[in-house]
Amino acid sequence: SQQGEEDPQALSIQEGENATMNCSYKTSINNLQWYRQNSGRGLVHLILIRSNEREKHSGRLRVTLDTSKKSSSLLITASRAADTASYFCATDTGGGNKLTFGTGTQLKVEL
Amino acid sequence: DTAVSQTPKYLVTQMGNDKSIKCEQNLGHDTMYWYKQDSKKFLKIMFSYNNKELIINETVPNRFSPKSPDKAHLNLHINSLELGDSAVYFCASSQGASGGAETQYFGPGTRLLVL
Repeated sequence: SQQGEEDPQALSIQEGENATMNCSYKTSINNLQWYRQNSGRGLVHLILIRSNEREKHSGRLRVTLDTSKKSSSLLITASRAADTASYFCATDTGGGNKLTFGTGTQLKVEL
Repeated sequence: DTAVSQTPKYLVTQMGNDKSIKCEQNLGHDTMYWYKQDSKKFLKIMFSYNNKELIINETVPNRFSPKSPDKAHLNLHINSLELGDSAVYFCASSQGASGGAETQYFGPGTRLLVL
């Protein structure tokens, strides 16, 4: 069964605004990762946060993890048109390097 | 240089045919994967190999058979293709299989359409 569910399913914002995507999962995890997928392309790793971490930053990206609520959020600050893509969370629940992907959020950043 | 490459990029075929998709990684990684992404963009793992050995085999019809001739290659052969096999198939690789899941590097995908 699906581990991660993301909301919103779709998000449309203006360039320069911040975008926040949320991921909820069901079972305990070792780590949680966020990936981006541009239309017609493969997934690209953005950031990994371990179960004992609460927040992580990478450039304009900020990821938080709340293991008590089994949820994570991805914040993209000062969005750009090039950020238009689908964003997926993926959880590692242990057992052979297996990632279980969420349903994805489609982000559209308009000029 | 492409880190994870797949061929072909597009594959259109008739129901009942047998086809193969090839994947190669030049990252020196030990672990490779096959994922299926359906029309709703849901991405599900199918297989994982570590140093040519199968370590993850999800509930996939036995018409799908992965083959890893060496740790840099993981091919996917599909027998008796069905309409429901139409999807995008992604190959991925990562450093190793110990200590939890690590960053995975994805190929560009193979778009399979079964008519």
